[in-house]
Order: sequence, then structure tokens, then C-alpha cells
Amino acid sequence: GQSLEQPSEVTAVEGAIVQINCTYQTSGFYGLSWYQQHDGGAPTFLSYNGLDGLEETGRFSSFLSRSDSYGYLLLQELQMKDSASYFCAVRGNNFNKFYFGSGTKLNVKP
Amino acid sequence: DGGITQSPKYLFRKEGQNVTLSCEQNLNHDAMYWYRQDPGQGLRLIYYSQIVNDFQKGDIAEGYSVSREKKESFPLTVTSAQKNPTAFYLCASNVGEGNQPQHFGDGTRLSIL
Repeated sequence: GQSLEQPSEVTAVEGAIVQINCTYQTSGFYGLSWYQQHDGGAPTFLSYNGLDGLEETGRFSSFLSRSDSYGYLLLQELQMKDSASYFCAVRGNNFNKFYFGSGTKLNVKP
Repeated sequence: DGGITQSPKYLFRKEGQNVTLSCEQNLNHDAMYWYRQDPGQGLRLIYYSQIVNDFQKGDIAEGYSVSREKKESFPLTVTSAQKNPTAFYLCASNVGEGNQPQHFGDGTRLSIL
């Protein structure tokens, strides 16, 4: 079966750095993606890792280790607007099928 | 601007009734998807379509049906066989190849009357 594990909730203060981990077990692997979803809204794409290593996009970075079936999303210089749920997603054996984790709710406090 | 339009935003279903959720995209994407999201949960795949006139069941297809008669449109019908339909339904699309991300609509919130 397919499974992706993320922490359910993380709390951090404004200006801090937070890391959201994701471990996965899937049949086949074609990349790890991260999405952000504000309450009641649509998920929006943040980053993608197809190969091992770090990808940086502004305040957000994402890391992948395929040998460990593990990745993380790093958010720096946290802002109040970063309070949202963050989902990791894997593209599995069926190239067009995605599997999502249950999401990590990030609470940013002043 | 290109995007995905879902309608209606809110929908109420009576017992024994079928309801259809609309999803239209003008991104010229081949692949389209329907997900269900329950409170505090992740996204679970209901159906997906890689090309017009073709679609596959996802992980929770029972009680749902879809059609893909046009590239732009992928409507989802929630049938009376779906006994617990109250959820947030999200439609998504992507190019269907390579490492392209999924683009999501704003969702339809379905409730039981």
C-alpha cells in the first residue's frame, strides 16, 4: 500500500524557522511535492524534489533523500500568513496518480 | 488567466438524491482529478482521467461516477449510494507528464440536508 507520514501539528513563532518532515512508503516513486492549504481554500503548489538534495524557493526549501524515503519542507523567517496546512505528496508507480499525506497544521504565533 | 473553476461552492444533498459537481479547466491540461477531503484529513483520490473519454477509479470511487467527454470538463456525480458524502471536494489538473504540479480549483463543500 501507499502511506505518507507527517506530524499533525507544529507551532512556531514569527521570524523563526520550522521543518516539516515527511516519510513515505509507496510502490514506485517519481518525486515528492509540497502543497500549502489555508483553511477553506485550495491547495497550492510550493515545491518539488525529483532527485536527492535541497531545492530552494525564496523562504521555502525542500529536501529529499530517496534512500531514506524521507523529505522535509523548511520554512524560514516565518510570517503570520504562513499559518496553514502543509501536505507532502508522492507521484507513484502510476505516473499520473498522486498520494497525499494527511497534512501538518502550522500555527505561527506572534 | 488560466485556471480551474469548480461550481457550486456550496451544495446540499437530500437523502436519495444524486448531485453533480462541476469542474472546468482552461489550462489545456490532459490529466484531471477529483479528491475528497474530510476535516483535518489529507486528500483522497476518487477518480482521475489522463485523457478524454478515459478515466480510472482512485482509492475511494464507490458511490461516485465521472465522465470526461471534453478535455476541459470533468464532472463528478455523488450518487445516493455514497452514504457519507459530507466533505470538501477538490478538482485538480496537470499536464500529465514530467514533473508538473497539480493545479487545484477552489473546491465544493457538500453537505447533507
